[in-house]
Formats: sequence, structure tokens, C-alpha cells
Amino acid sequence: IVLTQSPGTLSLSPGERATLSCRASQSISTVYIAWYQQKPGQAPRLLIYGASSRAPDIPDRFSGSGSGTDFTLTISRLEPEDCAVYYCQHYGSSPMYTFGQGTKLEIK
Amino acid sequence: QDQLVESGGGVVQPGRSLRLSCAPSGFTFSSYVMHWVRQTPGKRLEWVTMIWHDGSKEYYADSVKGRFTISRDNSKNTLYLEMNSLRVEDTAIYYCARGNVGAFDLWGQGTMVTVSS
Repeated sequence: IVLTQSPGTLSLSPGERATLSCRASQSISTVYIAWYQQKPGQAPRLLIYGASSRAPDIPDRFSGSGSGTDFTLTISRLEPEDCAVYYCQHYGSSPMYTFGQGTKLEIK
Repeated sequence: QDQLVESGGGVVQPGRSLRLSCAPSGFTFSSYVMHWVRQTPGKRLEWVTMIWHDGSKEYYADSVKGRFTISRDNSKNTLYLEMNSLRVEDTAIYYCARGNVGAFDLWGQGTMVTVSS
């Protein structure tokens, strides 16, 4: 399964809403879709698992949704600290873990 | 506070070997599946390998199968990655990560491995 994220780069202002897309090459279970945030020089951090469940200590400005082949990470009320690269990830059988190529979020 | 700390990275020639270690703290290591995930210089994330909580099963990405070996010592609270026959394309930051419900819920700070002649 290939995960394709769009857009490649997103530039928004503080207070705006960001919508990040992750499209799978075939229909997948929502149970095993996750989203991560990676700031420069840091390791990725888990934001969302099971497509829509927030990880501990993640603000409710972050939400995940979707099913089938299309999944979305929404960040409402953007803050300057949200500047980062965001990755989606899928866990499939075998087992096999696949990541999208990432979306870079810039805060103007 | 839950934490993972990797060590053992460095510069190595193609064909040589390297062993990475990961030291967990703040949680019961023996209760969790553990992974190694790498990030290429182009920032692409790639899952490398995983090991069950008791070490009874291991799985590998096709790109490293037969060359890399994951292991753990629950009595010493340590995760390992033995990397043999290293290739230039293995150059990456290597993260150890804790597995939970199909995701990686805790990451170390990473250790850089550079394979170059």
C-alpha cells in the first residue's frame, strides 16, 4: 500500500484551519492509520492513532478523520508552534508499516 | 517520564557492520513491541524492523532482510539492531520506537548512521 500526502507544502496564517490529506492506494482499515508531527531537529511525535483518536497530551485543535482510501488531519486555529512536517502512517498485515512522504506546514 | 535513548551510530564503510542500542526508561520495557524506524537524508520515514515484547518474533522490511537483526534483552532493558553488509542507501537517522495499536507512540532522539567510503 502506498500513502500519498497532499499538498506537499501548506502555507497558512495563525488562527486559520489546516487540512492535510493522506490517500491510500487501496482501501484500508481505519484502525491502523496514524498521524505524526515532526519539528526541525526532533523525532516524530504521535498525534493521532486509529484514524481519529488523539494521543495523550495532544491538544483538541488536532483531529483526524476519514475512511476507505482518504484520510484527513485537521488543525484548527493554527498556532506558530504548529510549523512542522506531518506524516501519515499505516499498519498492514505481514506486518508492514508504511509512511506517506509528508506535508510541510508553514505558518506565515 | 517515558523515554528512549539510542546510541551506536557513526560513519562506516560499505560492507561493514554496526550495532545500535536503545535504552528505555519510565515504562515497563518487557510489555511492549519495539521497532526501529529510519529517516533518510531526504526526510522519508521507513520502518525497518520490529520485535515482540518477549523477543519471540521478529519482522523485517524487505530492504534489510538477511542483513539486519533486531534483538532485545529485557533483563538489561535494552533493544539492539545489528546491521551487517551495510550499503550507502542505509545512511539515515535510526530511531527506536515503542509500538502501540499499530502506531509508534514513543520515539527516541535518533542516532545517525552514515555509510560512505
